[in-house]
Amino acid sequence: DAKTTQPTSMDCAEGRAANLPCNHSTISGNEYVYWYRQIHSQGPQYIIHGLKNNETNEMASLIITEDRKSSTLILPHATLRDTAVYYCIVAGTGANSKLTFGKGITLSVRP
Amino acid sequence: DGGITQSPKYLFRKEGQNVTLSCEQNLNHDAMYWYRQDPGQGLRLIYYSQIVNDFQKGDIAEGYSVSREKKESFPLTVTSAQKNPTAFYLCATRIEDRTDTQYFGPGTRLTVL
Repeated sequence: DAKTTQPTSMDCAEGRAANLPCNHSTISGNEYVYWYRQIHSQGPQYIIHGLKNNETNEMASLIITEDRKSSTLILPHATLRDTAVYYCIVAGTGANSKLTFGKGITLSVRP
Repeated sequence: DGGITQSPKYLFRKEGQNVTLSCEQNLNHDAMYWYRQDPGQGLRLIYYSQIVNDFQKGDIAEGYSVSREKKESFPLTVTSAQKNPTAFYLCATRIEDRTDTQYFGPGTRLTVL
């Protein structure tokens, strides 16, 4: 009962923007879109999240479509250290919120 | 990671033995979580605790037990009833602000011999 679908993998050149897509067509009105990433054999790391407006922080930008059925995580200048599995997650907030991690998308940044 | 420590990093046990994985945090977060990750897979929620002396089963609680006697600690016991215990175990805490971000520890890799 995955709430999100992501491609299995993608690659990009170092220094270029990496655009990671995610579909979440069944998202409900009070659910947020979260992005985490996991470098091999480490714990996941929070990147960004949003509800309906586009968001930007020091790590990335999140673009959410107007109908909220899909989103794109943008790493503006990918580096080799950005090679990781990126998880797009749809979840609510508050005490009963739970994150469901699918298989994610493997991003490989090439020199 | 940062304020979350998990020990040990690698753990081996013989089949049929119980083993306890440690998770300690100094972030003063109320909520704590245990996840399991198998090779090439996402994370699956085992147990979570919103507050001291209270915890709830996640999606795959069978064969596991937890306790939450103090805010800083949320140990996970993998019992002999868990049929496939070999996996990467991750502990997380959740900050209760507008982000509800979860912070993860470095993980413990358990191998059953």
